[in-house]
Amino acid sequence: KAGVTQTPRYLIKTRGQQVTLSCSPISGHRSVSWYQQTPGQGLQFLFEYFSETQRNKGNFPGRFSGRQFSNSRSEMNVSTLELGDSALYLCASSTRTGGPKTQYFGPGTRLLVL
Amino acid sequence: DQQVKQNSPSLSVQEGRISILNCDYTNSMFDYFLWYKKYPAEGPTFLISISSIKDKNEDGRFTVFLNKSAKHLSLHIVPSQPGDSAVYFCAARGWNRDDKIIFGKGTRLHILP
Repeated sequence: KAGVTQTPRYLIKTRGQQVTLSCSPISGHRSVSWYQQTPGQGLQFLFEYFSETQRNKGNFPGRFSGRQFSNSRSEMNVSTLELGDSALYLCASSTRTGGPKTQYFGPGTRLLVL
Repeated sequence: DQQVKQNSPSLSVQEGRISILNCDYTNSMFDYFLWYKKYPAEGPTFLISISSIKDKNEDGRFTVFLNKSAKHLSLHIVPSQPGDSAVYFCAARGWNRDDKIIFGKGTRLHILP
């Protein structure tokens, strides 16, 4: 069974630009969550999508948005990039009904904002 | 406000000895706790969990202890092996499935030969 895939793996952008990251969940998983990992803040929850609907949202500004498609693939978008957005962005998929133990993470997309 | 705290950024332990990673939480509504392990260039992987109705859960070399009155949990790894060198994240969630999972900042464990 293929794992969670994230594209691209690495990305360099400049301040003010916008970026779209993609996440393909494990087959059969309908829940996708996004996290931001930085050295100073650890792993912070961005949002969760289930059946194309945002089910939960973390404390991030409106520049961070996401969506989920009917095939459960998800994208997150960050507009007007700031230097502080440099981080590892992780997505995780799960069956949701199975609880957090069924949550599997992808390898992440490392974003560098210059 | 950090609801899940891992106060030790790093920990070094001799191979074969016990590794103890600690985690404190502030939200008394947390009902379910998890530990994840992360290697460089990989996403975190689920390690072990415990619900608030238990005070101990064991899985092979890994044991998690929960002290609800102290709002403290710990992960014991016995015996420690070189492959255990990684970053360990403590995480917590309320009883409601819709509650988001809150992670700590992680502790980097180094297993020394």
